[in-house]
Amino acid sequence: NAGVTQTPKFQVLKTGQSMTLQCAQDMNHEYMSWYRQDPGMGLRLIHYSVGAGITDQGEVPNGYNVSRSTTEDFPLRLLSAAPSQTSVYFCASSARTSDAYEQFFGPGTRLTVL
Amino acid sequence: KNQVEQSPQSLIILEGKNCTLQCNYTVSPFSNLRWYKQDTGRGPVSLTIMTFSENTKSNGRYTATLDADTKQSSLHITASQLSDSASYICVGGGSNYKLTFGKGTLLTVNP
Repeated sequence: NAGVTQTPKFQVLKTGQSMTLQCAQDMNHEYMSWYRQDPGMGLRLIHYSVGAGITDQGEVPNGYNVSRSTTEDFPLRLLSAAPSQTSVYFCASSARTSDAYEQFFGPGTRLTVL
Repeated sequence: KNQVEQSPQSLIILEGKNCTLQCNYTVSPFSNLRWYKQDTGRGPVSLTIMTFSENTKSNGRYTATLDADTKQSSLHITASQLSDSASYICVGGGSNYKLTFGKGTLLTVNP
């Protein structure tokens, strides 16, 4: 049981390039989400999904795209990278259990856009 | 707008000592209050989750309290260890999986 995995761990892009951050979970969780973490700020929700085929925007969705074709995978696409997207990106998954659901985070992808 | 404020921003203590981290939240509707531990270069790991009807929950040497009336929570760490050095993040949970994250308290435990 690997939990939540993310690839790559590190990535450097040039402005305007596109790329996909991969996220996978093997816990059969319905809910998956992407956050970004910037210095001096709390984690901010980019996009989330409550099940295969269903996605929705979070707090900071501009410049990012997602899809959820399977329960296991939830890739995040940067359409045209900008320096403002330099950040650490975390993927998370959870299954609803009672009133509070435990959210499991991946190890993160550190992205630098030059 | 939902907000979570944590204090102090950073804290240095000696190994073996106790400490308490504070969290004030404004989250509506409010469902639950979480504390996460984030080691440097790693993803956050859940320590405790309390629903609005709970006022305390423990996880080993970590004890969280919740006062839903004053919208305050605290995380008490007993007999600190070097491995407790990390950022501790308070999170307010709302409806439909919506979470509001605090900026974290950076704890350093020195020998």
